[in-house]
Amino acid sequence: DVKVTQSSRYLVKRTGEKVFLECVQDMDHENMFWYRQDPGLGLRLIYFSYDVKMKEKGDIPEGYSVSREKKERFSLILESASTNQTSMYLCATSNGQGDQPQHFGDGTRLSIL
Amino acid sequence: KQEVTQIPAALSVPEGENLVLNCSFTDSAIYNLQWFRQDPGKGLTSLLLIQSSQREQTSGRLNASLDKSSGRSTLYIAASQPGDSATYLCAVEIWRDDKIIFGKGTRLHILP
Repeated sequence: DVKVTQSSRYLVKRTGEKVFLECVQDMDHENMFWYRQDPGLGLRLIYFSYDVKMKEKGDIPEGYSVSREKKERFSLILESASTNQTSMYLCATSNGQGDQPQHFGDGTRLSIL
Repeated sequence: KQEVTQIPAALSVPEGENLVLNCSFTDSAIYNLQWFRQDPGKGLTSLLLIQSSQREQTSGRLNASLDKSSGRSTLYIAASQPGDSATYLCAVEIWRDDKIIFGKGTRLHILP
């Protein structure tokens, strides 16, 4: 079974802080994704990565950056946290073949005060 | 631009009933369609994936169908149970792009 682990279930940070959300997968999947989920807006793609050191912007990349130094780890960075970044953040992986679903972590509920 | 719509947004049915959840998408050029389940405060769990060349997939009490030409998919749940209470999300994968577009989900409540 694919396991996608997000480092924190709950996180509280202050406005202006630099925040790191970590995601680790154990299935050697090529592709990794970061989403945020908000009531009424559904899941929105922030960034994704097809390979180590590669990244692509999703639909809402503003205020975020990512890092993928190793295949199994994909980090989401909030450069200067703001209250409108309070949300549920979900990491996902896939094998890139289109024949298997994306696998999700349990999510990090982030609150910016 | 691909859009995915799920109606209704919420649904309550008595235990034991069969039910159908609906999903529609605007662009028929999809690679696959996926159904997920999400429990409160948790991540998404994959239920079924239908490739664009397939018409349906089954897993236990769940059956998902796909009609690309009309831009529709349905998730059929037989003999519903209280444990089926969750939010069900439909998503389409754009052609080998691996980005998937999600609907906003149907929140299902099975009444004991």
